[in-house]
Amino acid sequence: DAGITQSPRYKITETGRQVTLMCHQTWSHSYMFWYRQDLGHGLRLIYYSAAADITDKGEVPDGYVVSRSKTENFPLTLESATRSQTSVYFCASTEALSGTGELFFGEGSRLTVL
Amino acid sequence: AQSVAQPEDQVNVAEGNPLTVKCTYSVSGNPYLFWYVQYPNRGLQFLLKYITGDNLVKGSYGFEAEFNKSQTSFHLKKPSALVSDSALYFCAVRDYGGSYIPTFGRGTSLIVHP
Repeated sequence: DAGITQSPRYKITETGRQVTLMCHQTWSHSYMFWYRQDLGHGLRLIYYSAAADITDKGEVPDGYVVSRSKTENFPLTLESATRSQTSVYFCASTEALSGTGELFFGEGSRLTVL
Repeated sequence: AQSVAQPEDQVNVAEGNPLTVKCTYSVSGNPYLFWYVQYPNRGLQFLLKYITGDNLVKGSYGFEAEFNKSQTSFHLKKPSALVSDSALYFCAVRDYGGSYIPTFGRGTSLIVHP
């Protein structure tokens, strides 16, 4: 099925470990985003990418790394996980050139850091 | 700069009654406005958008929203609420001609009582 998929959906890890959350979209959208959702904070932008090999920081980038070697993939890496990074992470995409900017979201990755 | 305010954390309504979820925005230019819905343990889904033209926008699941430029508002409405409408609703804005990065409100939890 076409769409945007995230993996894993659920992950439990320990403080200090590296974790990578995967995001794959089949629309060839140019823009991709990573958000975290926490109670009381709504959605906060971590990183975004305007195209392959172009990434930029969002509101809360500290402790995260992204890459985008291919248009369809946008992995998010927590290099050394901390308890404050326990959250639900959402990947999203949008087409900049022909669209009006509505975002298409994945189903989310729930990360627990012990 | 762009911003969105959803002044109510929670809205309660009886099934069959009309519902309104409020959103006000601030942009330097003309706005693109969006509503998204999030059901439990799911990603956000696009509901409707205002780009230009008619101030009353119709979207999915019987929802509509009214753009009011003088009041800088974009309230979400439905004439007759269903229990299945219970979810978290997010308003978002981006500046026409500006960045493709939207700004989201903090979300409003809609609870429809049987």
